Amino acid sequence: SQQGEEDPQALSIQEGENATMNCSYKTSINNLQWYRQNSGRGLVHLILIRSNEREKHSGRLRVTLDTSKKSSSLLITASRAADTASYFCAINYNTDKLIFGTGTRLQVFP
Amino acid sequence: GAGVSQSPRYKVAKRGQDVALRCDPISGHVSLFWYQQALGQGPEFLTYFQNEAQLDKSGLPSDRFFAERPEGSVSTLKIQRTQQEDSAVYLCASSLQTDQPQHFGDGTRLSIL
Repeated sequence: SQQGEEDPQALSIQEGENATMNCSYKTSINNLQWYRQNSGRGLVHLILIRSNEREKHSGRLRVTLDTSKKSSSLLITASRAADTASYFCAINYNTDKLIFGTGTRLQVFP
Repeated sequence: GAGVSQSPRYKVAKRGQDVALRCDPISGHVSLFWYQQALGQGPEFLTYFQNEAQLDKSGLPSDRFFAERPEGSVSTLKIQRTQQEDSAVYLCASSLQTDQPQHFGDGTRLSIL
């Protein structure tokens, strides 16, 4: 399967702490994307990182990509209760479609 | 708003019935994708359109699943002779081009009794 593997499956932290989630994949990629999903809603795009990029930032979000290890990480700094959601990596393997990972369920306690 | 719109939000059908799920993408978005999401799992790719052309349907589980986008805008996912294992959330997404971020609707939650 080309599905991305994410860890941890679930993460519980206090407001103000940082949250890190990881995604590993199998073969060479075109790009890797991170999405957030609140319960009962659709997915919201967070960051797209291309295979020739190593790090991208967006507000409190930082994404890194290590193509030698075939892995990516999403760091959320100074977390807030509103960050509570499921986070998915999605991999573009040089085709038209995205292959989503298994997801990390993040719970941020006030 | 100008986001992706899906209808209905919830659909309950008896096993064996046919259902049709609608997706209205963002205006001007060339690419349209359908995904199936089981409870607690990530979305799984079903099919992809570029304008009206269905370029990839490799994820459709069986020939009971059929999708169309006749005018390159609104798309319909049809499931014939529904079975209990078809129960899931069906998500639609659109993007300007295939390697651009995808914009998702809130999905249709399908329950087959």
